[in-house]
Parts: sequence; structure tokens; C-alpha cells
Amino acid sequence: QVQLKESGPGLVQPSQTLSLTCTVSGFSLTSNSVHWVRQPPGKGLEWVGAIWSGGSTDYNSALKSRLSISRDTSKSQVFLKMNSLQTEDTAIYFCTRALTGLDYWGQGVMVTVSS
Amino acid sequence: DIQMTQSPSSLPASLGDRVTITCRASQDIGNYLRWFQQKPGKSPRLMIYGATNLAAGVPSRFSGSRSGSDYSLTISSLESEDMADYYCLQSKESPFTFGSGTKLEIK
Repeated sequence: QVQLKESGPGLVQPSQTLSLTCTVSGFSLTSNSVHWVRQPPGKGLEWVGAIWSGGSTDYNSALKSRLSISRDTSKSQVFLKMNSLQTEDTAIYFCTRALTGLDYWGQGVMVTVSS
Repeated sequence: DIQMTQSPSSLPASLGDRVTITCRASQDIGNYLRWFQQKPGKSPRLMIYGATNLAAGVPSRFSGSRSGSDYSLTISSLESEDMADYYCLQSKESPFTFGSGTKLEIK
């Protein structure tokens, strides 16, 4: 059974670093890409970045300087790290396979950037 | 980056109506176009992939088409469960880009 589940802090202070984990099951990270998508409250979907089956990464152009995506295949986990957080980074963060593969999404994790 | 221009932003419609949402790509994306449906408080759901292919479990009243750089999602006969937000996504090249979304609501 394919599952993805995001985890991480719900509240982050401005200028700090966000660390999120996407724990997957039912498929291999070495055979499938995982993407991060975010959605600010009341707004649309925004592609954040991806880690491909071979381990390479791609990032949103506007976030590239602050963003890092990595993985631990032995633990079936994908990591998102974003530094210098601003209030505009407040959003629900989803991990998903659905952008290039079958329709599987995590339930999303709400991240609020506030002091 | 490839820009996806989605229209309309809001679409009031009645049950039984035929409705169409369109995305225009700023450069060639071939058929690397996906449509997603999102209901409040839920994760998005894949509806169409490869511009014209129905995803698993999606009702046949949904269809996707392409005309040049214009991509459309059509619902042939609107049902109440179709009221949601819809987004297109180009997956031709990174960075991937979503359209700005269409809110489909009851007139």
C-alpha cells in the first residue's frame, strides 16, 4: 500500500530554517521521484521542488537559493530544508508522487512562520 | 521558466452544464500537462495526465484536450461533487509550474 506522510514543526520563527520529512511506504525512492508542493492559505498550488529516482534534484527558481531536498533511501524518507524563512512561506506543504507518476499524496503539513 | 496561464479564475455554473477550463503554455510542453482537482481541506487529486488521459477512477464526464499551446479540461455534465478548485501543471521541464487555479462553483 503506497503512502506518503509529511512531518515537521507547525511553527517556525522568521529567519529560521524549516525542516520537513516525507516518509514513504509501498514504493522505492530509487525507482520513483517525489515532489514537494506548497499552498499558502487561501491561495493556489506552488511547485517547490523534486528529488528524482537517481537522486538528482530540481528546485523552484524563486526558492532555489534557500532550498535543499535530499533523501535517505534506507529509511524511505525525503527531506526538505528551507532557510531564511519569511511569513510568505506560511503554507501547507505536501509531498507527492502525482506530478510524474501515480496519484499519491501526503495529507500535508501546515507550517506557520511567525514570531 | 514556463508560464501556465489558466482561465477563468472563477466559473459559476449550474448542475448539468458543460464547462471548460483552459491553460495556455508560454512555450512548447508537448503533452506534458496534468489536471488536478482539489476540494477544501483535502490533498489534490490527479484527474488527467498526458493532456488527454483519464487518471484511474476519474468519471468519464471529465476529458482533456489540446489545441496547439492551449490545454482544456472539460466536464460534460456538471455534478455537485465536481465543485472544487482545478489546477493545470506542466511537467515538460523543471521547474514545473502550476496554473493559477479555477474555482468551479454553483451559479
